[in-house]
Amino acid sequence: SQQGEEDPQALSIQEGENATMNCSYKTSINNLQWYRQNSGRGLVHLILIRSNEREKHSGRLRVTLDTSKKSSSLLITASRAADTASYFCATVPDRGSTLGRLYFGRGTQLTVWP
Amino acid sequence: DAGVTQSPTHLIKTRGQQVTLRCSPKSGHDTVSWYQQALGQGPQFIFQYYEEEERQRGNFPDRFSGHQFPNYSSELNVNALLLGDSALYLCASSRRSERVHVYEQYFGPGTRLTVT
Repeated sequence: SQQGEEDPQALSIQEGENATMNCSYKTSINNLQWYRQNSGRGLVHLILIRSNEREKHSGRLRVTLDTSKKSSSLLITASRAADTASYFCATVPDRGSTLGRLYFGRGTQLTVWP
Repeated sequence: DAGVTQSPTHLIKTRGQQVTLRCSPKSGHDTVSWYQQALGQGPQFIFQYYEEEERQRGNFPDRFSGHQFPNYSSELNVNALLLGDSALYLCASSRRSERVHVYEQYFGPGTRLTVT
């Protein structure tokens, strides 16, 4: 499967703690993206990391990519109750025929308690 | 600048009926992709439209069809609805004409379809 697979399926933490979610995939990629989804609504793009990048930051988000292990991690620092959502990784394979097509995993449900 | 919009927000249909969902892409975008998200699952790619033609298709039966109009908006049609078609249908737009931006996709709020 070309889909990313997130781990853990569910994560429950207190406000102020850090949250780490992992994603594994099976094929070579052009880039990997992380999305957030609140309560079954639309997806919000968080960050895109290209295959030649190893780490990327955006505010309280830090994404790493290890292409040798075909894995990525999303770290949310100093979490807030508003971070409660489902988080998905999506891969874009390194094949032109699938240009722009995203392959999603099943997601990690993050719950941040006040 | 309006983002991606979808209509309707919610829809209830009966098995065997047909449904049409609509999507207007973000301003400046020329490519529309459709995804199906079943409860508790990640989105699954249905198909993608660019220059009014279907460019890619996921593993969905021919009951799922689409169209893109000259103004880049798009429709998703599903015929002979099954209970298993109940899902959130998401539309995503991107700007294929500029390769540096081709991977940046913006999602709409989705249409929740319930088939009874």
